[in-house]
Amino acid sequence: AQSVTQLDSHVSVSEGTPVLLRCNYSSSYSPSLFWYVQHPNKGLQLLLKYTSAATLVKGINGFEAEFKKSETSFHLTKPSAHMSDAAEYFCVVSRGGATNKLIFGTGTLLAVQP
Amino acid sequence: DAGVIQSPRHEVTEMGQEVTLRCKPISGHDYLFWYRQTMMRGLELLIYFNNNVPIDDSGMPEDRFSAKMPNASFSTLKIQPSEPRDSAVYFCASSFSFYGYTFGSGTRLTVV
Repeated sequence: AQSVTQLDSHVSVSEGTPVLLRCNYSSSYSPSLFWYVQHPNKGLQLLLKYTSAATLVKGINGFEAEFKKSETSFHLTKPSAHMSDAAEYFCVVSRGGATNKLIFGTGTLLAVQP
Repeated sequence: DAGVIQSPRHEVTEMGQEVTLRCKPISGHDYLFWYRQTMMRGLELLIYFNNNVPIDDSGMPEDRFSAKMPNASFSTLKIQPSEPRDSAVYFCASSFSFYGYTFGSGTRLTVV
């Protein structure tokens, strides 16, 4: 079975400082991993995805994530936070193939202080 | 491409009434998913379809919920009768195989 654990429910950073949102996964198969962002009262937007290609994945808005199999981690980072990054971020795992469904983490709420 | 289109964006209904949520997936996508988001339970997968066929409905809360996909371009999620605890944001998503999941903007349902 697959699952994801987002280690922090809330993260607060100052504008211009780095962002680190942590995610650990569990999967019996080679997983596909995603990060989604949800701004207040908005839908879910795909930030980036890992599907067994390069382990360092670059996404939109300057975000990137590194797949580390040895640590079963897929942490999301950004070198410099912007006020518009304030949102909820979801780490997601999918087995893909015949059981193609997403398993969402519980989310990390990112606050960006001026 | 207009993306995944959900309607209505907001729905307020009285307890006991029937509610129908609609979704138009992206053309060419072969998977369609219905999710529910609440503060208490986060995002939950309710049901998903592959080539219009329901594959896994184990997340559907109870018999009051039903979903159909009569063709590749349309799906409905129906709640009959609705209850206040059904209040949530319901998202539809579609994908081609396991690449490129796209979510709709959601339907915010309030049952009073």
